[in-house]
Amino acid sequence: EAGVAQSPRYKIIEKRQSVAFWCNPISGHATLYWYQQILGQGPKLLIQFQNNGVVDDSQLPKDRFSAERLKGVDSTLKIQPAKLEDSAVYLCASSLFPAEATNYGYTFGSGTRLTVV
Amino acid sequence: QKEVEQNSGPLSVPEGAIASLNCTYSDRGSQSFFWYRQYSGKSPELIMFIYSNGDKEDGRFTAQLNKASQYVSLLIRDSQPSDSATYLCAVEPGSARQLTFGSGTQLTVLP
Repeated sequence: EAGVAQSPRYKIIEKRQSVAFWCNPISGHATLYWYQQILGQGPKLLIQFQNNGVVDDSQLPKDRFSAERLKGVDSTLKIQPAKLEDSAVYLCASSLFPAEATNYGYTFGSGTRLTVV
Repeated sequence: QKEVEQNSGPLSVPEGAIASLNCTYSDRGSQSFFWYRQYSGKSPELIMFIYSNGDKEDGRFTAQLNKASQYVSLLIRDSQPSDSATYLCAVEPGSARQLTFGSGTQLTVLP
């Protein structure tokens, strides 16, 4: 089974520029998550999709962050304009519910490391 | 705000010893609990999940859950240098299919 694919792996931008990240979940996984992980901290949920609808975006800074999930499969997370404090790893995860007992729920991609200078 | 608390460490143990990692959570309605391991520069990988009170063992790993005390722990027996990583506790609240993470505990196993 292919994993969660993310691109790019690394991105360096100047503050006030825009950036976009892409995620392709595991085939058949209806739920997709974007997490932000700042160095030294645990991942923080930004947005959760169920198919192509938003389930939870309560922690998404909507003045600068936006996300969409095209046709319930791929997803894009955008930051515009970027700030220094947006430097972090952006992790995409997907899940299949109801979960199988031997493979519970959540699988993470390798992440995109964003540096804002 | 639902919170998950972990000791940030760092925690150092000698090779072959038992490493004990602890986590508390604030949402009494939480249903499922996860331990992830994260090597530096890598994404989190699932070690174990537990949803019933008591112990759950998988090889050298044992997860312990006490819902009354809102406490979950991970024991690593016969610790190896390859276990050196950050261990993340994550909680699935009763109201949603999503994970809330603690800040992680950095573990170093000394040869």
